[in-house]
Parts: sequence; C-alpha cells; structure tokens
Amino acid sequence: AQSVTQPDIHITVSEGASLELRCNYSYGATPYLFWYVQSPGQGLQLLLKYFSGDTLVQGIKGFEAEFKRSQSSFNLRKPSVHWSDAAEYFCAVGAVTDSWGKLQFGAGTQVVVTP
Amino acid sequence: ETGVTQTPRHLVMGMTNKKSLKCEQHLGHNAMYWYKQSAKKPLELMFVYSLEERVENNSVPSRFSPECPNSSHLFLHLHTLQPEDSALYLCASSRTRDAGGKNIQYFGAGTRLSVL
Repeated sequence: AQSVTQPDIHITVSEGASLELRCNYSYGATPYLFWYVQSPGQGLQLLLKYFSGDTLVQGIKGFEAEFKRSQSSFNLRKPSVHWSDAAEYFCAVGAVTDSWGKLQFGAGTQVVVTP
Repeated sequence: ETGVTQTPRHLVMGMTNKKSLKCEQHLGHNAMYWYKQSAKKPLELMFVYSLEERVENNSVPSRFSPECPNSSHLFLHLHTLQPEDSALYLCASSRTRDAGGKNIQYFGAGTRLSVL
C-alpha cells in the first residue's frame, strides 16, 4: 500500500519569499502524484498533478512541483508567495493498480504568510 | 465553486440524534467519495461509490451509513455518533473510477460536524 509523508506540519514564510513544501511517498511503482490546497472553510482544490513525462510540472497560482524518483519525493515550490497563499497544503498519491481511484493523503502542511 | 455542494455546512448533534449529510455534484461525474478530516491527521477515505457499486474502508464504524441514489447525489446517514466523530466531512467526485489512481477528485467545502 502507498503512503505519504509531509515532514513539515507548519511553515511560516514572509510575503514575497520563496516557499518549498516537502512530500515523500512510499510506493512500489511510479505513483500518480497530486498537490491540493485547502483555504480556511473550504474544500480541497487541485494545484497540480504528475502522471508521467516531464518531472517538473506547473500548476495553478504560480506553483510548480518536481518529481524525483530517486528520492521518492514530490516537493511543491513557489518563487514568491502572496498573502493569499496562506492555507493548508496536502500531497496525495494514487496507485497505478487501484481501479477505484482512491488517493492516499499526507497529513498536510499549514502555511502562514507574514507581512 | 468546484461544482460539488455539501449541506449543511455546520451541524451540531447529540449522541442519540440521527442526521444526514448531503452532497450533490453538478459535474456529470460517475464516482463520489466521502472523507473524514480530523485535525492533524491525513484525510481518511470512508466510502467510494461508482455506478451503484460501493467500496468502503473497513475501519469505518457502522454508525456511518452511506447512500448514493444516483450519480449526482450522495448522503451520509449518521446515528448514535460519538464525540470522536467530530470532524470535517468532505465529499468529492471524479469523472470515472476507471482511470484508477489518475482520477482527479473535486471536493466540496465540507460539513463541520460537532457531536456533543
């Protein structure tokens, strides 16, 4: 079974600074990888996904993520954060062999943006 | 607006009450999901419905009972809940389950449940 680890529970970043959120997964084959964001009082919104091909993927809101097979990682980055990026971010893994489309989510990273 | 609507947004209930959560998707999807989101824990998948078939997490207590009358509507019936069931319950839908783990899931805003 696949699993996902987000090592950072909480990150504080200054507005305009760069942001990197870590995600490590455990899975026996190449997984499908996702990053979702949850703003206060809202559901989860897909930021970006990786299925195959180019290991650097671009998403919405200026986010990008890089799949590194050797490190079993899929870290999320943004060069310059905005106050509206304050939210909780979830990494998720889908299994190639799962016919039900179930996702395994990490516990999330809370991002606080300071002026 | 994600196209997935959950009602109510907030619910307070006693342990002896019976209530239902409702989810409706307007995306023409064929698969729907219930998740439980507790503080500092990963989202827990409770149930998946697709074309009248259901998969469930065997660790979900029987006091949670899902119903999916059609591909657009999903309910979660609650009875004799415990305080530890207090959480945010999220509904999601995806176009089809046949894509396996490639499914992109679209989430509602959730129902915040408090059990007293």
